[in-house]
Amino acid sequence: DADVTQTPRNRITKTGKRIMLECSQTKGHDRMYWYRQDPGLGLRLIYYSFDVKDINKGEISDGYSVSRQAQAKFSLSLESAIPNQTALYFCATSDLSEREGYNEQFFGPGTRLTVL
Amino acid sequence: AQKVTQAQTEISVVEKEDVTLDCVYETRDTTYYLFWYKQPPSGELVFLIRRNSFDEQNEISGRYSWNFQKSTSSFNFTITASQVVDSAVYFCALSGPIWRTGGGNKLTFGTGTQLKVEL
Repeated sequence: DADVTQTPRNRITKTGKRIMLECSQTKGHDRMYWYRQDPGLGLRLIYYSFDVKDINKGEISDGYSVSRQAQAKFSLSLESAIPNQTALYFCATSDLSEREGYNEQFFGPGTRLTVL
Repeated sequence: AQKVTQAQTEISVVEKEDVTLDCVYETRDTTYYLFWYKQPPSGELVFLIRRNSFDEQNEISGRYSWNFQKSTSSFNFTITASQVVDSAVYFCALSGPIWRTGGGNKLTFGTGTQLKVEL
C-alpha cells in the first residue's frame, strides 16, 4: 500500500463549487504539505503544516484553506472553485526529526482537478 | 529568497544520445539541499537524487550523473545513452535547512524541463 495517498485522483467540477482534496499518510510524519503544479510553472507551495496545531501559508494560499484533522490527514479545500485553479495537486510529507539538517519529502500520486 | 531556474523548457533527442539538463539556483543559506525529480507521463513525482551543499562530489548512478558546482550555483543532470523511457519532465528543486525559521524544509521547484527521447 502507498505511504501517501490522495483522494480523489481525478475530479471535474464547476465554477463556484466547494471542493475538498484529501491526503492521508501512514509514514508517521509530522510535517505535511500541499503543492500545486501548473504547466510551465513547476510546483508551488500552497500550505504546510508542521503538526496538528501548526498550519502555515505558502506562496500561493489565496483561494485555498486547509485542515489538519490528525497527524495522518491533511485536507485542502477550495471554497468556491474557479477555472484558474485547474491544476495537478500534490500532497507531501516529511519527518520532524533532524537528520543532516534535511528530511526528505515523500509525495503522493497527485490529484488532477479541472474546474469548468 | 530562494530561486531555481531551469532555462531549458523542452529538449528533444534521439535515442542513445547524451543529454544534459541545466539547473541554476539562488539562495542565501550557507547550508542547503538540491534535488532532481522525474515526472513521467503518468504524473507521479519520482525522487532521483539529493545533494547537500557541503558535498560537491559529483555522483553517477547508472546512466545518470550529476554535476554540482557551487562556484556557478549549478546542479546539472546528464543522462548518458538516453532511452525512450527517459521521456519525462524533470524538476530541479532547492531547500534550506530545517532549522531555519520560516519553514526551512520547504522545497522550491524550478519550472521543469520536458525531455523527449525519440527512436
